[in-house]
Amino acid sequence: SAVISQKPSRDICQRGTSLTIQCQVDSQVTMMFWYRQQPGQSLTLIATANQGSEATYESGFVIDKFPISRPNLTFSTLTVSNMSPEDSSIYLCSVGPQGFGTEAFFGQGTRLTVV
Amino acid sequence: TQLLEQSPQFLSIQEGENLTVYCNSSSVFSSLQWYRQEPGEGPVLLVTVVTGGEVKKLKRLTFQFGDARKDSSLHITAAQPGDTGLYLCAGSSNTGKLIFGQGTTLQVKP
Repeated sequence: SAVISQKPSRDICQRGTSLTIQCQVDSQVTMMFWYRQQPGQSLTLIATANQGSEATYESGFVIDKFPISRPNLTFSTLTVSNMSPEDSSIYLCSVGPQGFGTEAFFGQGTRLTVV
Repeated sequence: TQLLEQSPQFLSIQEGENLTVYCNSSSVFSSLQWYRQEPGEGPVLLVTVVTGGEVKKLKRLTFQFGDARKDSSLHITAAQPGDTGLYLCAGSSNTGKLIFGQGTTLQVKP
């Protein structure tokens, strides 16, 4: 199993500013994932963060808007840049699945409100 | 592109009723998982199904994987208020990532 600590748990930010979300895992993992989720809705994958290489972004998400760092095998950050109200959402980091049929573990999420 | 269609998206029932949530795709998945998420928390795994036709039971929850591994269902018997939450199906894609269905918000009223 993996325990993921994500912070902040929530924040209210002014438009035009940036927020960095931190994700700490209690074990070394190869891949970490960042998702966005509207309350009560499903998860949309933003990017996959691999240690030692550039993050891989999904369609509709770009590095300039969502820069990701992965300095080691237990830590990652996601920055939401130049925020607008449309960026208001829940952001979740995740590890796994690490292999066929294995479980994914999630942080508790960061609820972001942009005003 | 692999997609998972989950239905219904919202369900409000009385305590004691039964319900079924469906997860369908036109693609084959190597495995399919069901997660439950409560407000302010991340999703937590309930079950993984990997074999076509597989049925797994977790107390009052019964999970089934279709014979062709393209669909799955979650059946809850005698729902309780503690079952309230967001239920998500997720399939392992051919790239190793998880593909999530739209989610089903379940509200069980006492």
